[in-house]
Amino acid sequence: RKEVEQDPGPFNVPEGATVAFNCTYSNSASQSFFWYRQDCRKEPKLLMSVYSSGNEDGRFTAQLNRASQYISLLIRDSKLSDSATYLCVVNSANTGFQKLVFGTGTRLLVSP
Amino acid sequence: DTAVSQTPKYLVTQMGNDKSIKCEQNLGHDTMYWYKQDSKKFLKIMFSYNNKELIINETVPNRFSPKSPDKAHLNLHINSLELGDSAVYFCASSKDGGGIQETQYFGPGTRLLVL
Repeated sequence: RKEVEQDPGPFNVPEGATVAFNCTYSNSASQSFFWYRQDCRKEPKLLMSVYSSGNEDGRFTAQLNRASQYISLLIRDSKLSDSATYLCVVNSANTGFQKLVFGTGTRLLVSP
Repeated sequence: DTAVSQTPKYLVTQMGNDKSIKCEQNLGHDTMYWYKQDSKKFLKIMFSYNNKELIINETVPNRFSPKSPDKAHLNLHINSLELGDSAVYFCASSKDGGGIQETQYFGPGTRLLVL
């Protein structure tokens, strides 16, 4: 079983739609959680950190459920520019340093 | 200004050759990383260095040897290249590596193809 699991998609949605991605992780000792975005043939970039209380950044909302070891990302009012792969990322280090474990990513295609 | 840069961008080579990939960051960060993204797009940590000291060394073949001459540079040398080494290699950096909510900044990647 992979340490971080995501539905690979692709999710095909029209502009303006709301889309949700889910992710589960297996290491209950994981301390921090993120969503990164990766455009085709580009490097990953941080989209947002995920906090236990849930957090929102514009059209993006991230939620964390530690009991279920489950992370979600909600994108409202999808734009064409949201088309990318969304990577669920978990810091699984038990030392003072980060060790990020990436999911395989969920591909989103937003069409006009 | 490029924050994390890698050279070369593309690398095509024959099996058995030795090659190096260079990484530099101008962010003043203390921690640098190497990741491998395979053909299935799975991104996996290989190494991390903090202030030139090795912190993470995943189960990577010892044909891969990272070198950090100073905290702004982390190079990756690969001996006896194999077909399975074909992948995109990303360098990344973070401020001090110790903050659990720290952002990692990635370089543009080096696309390695072993023939």
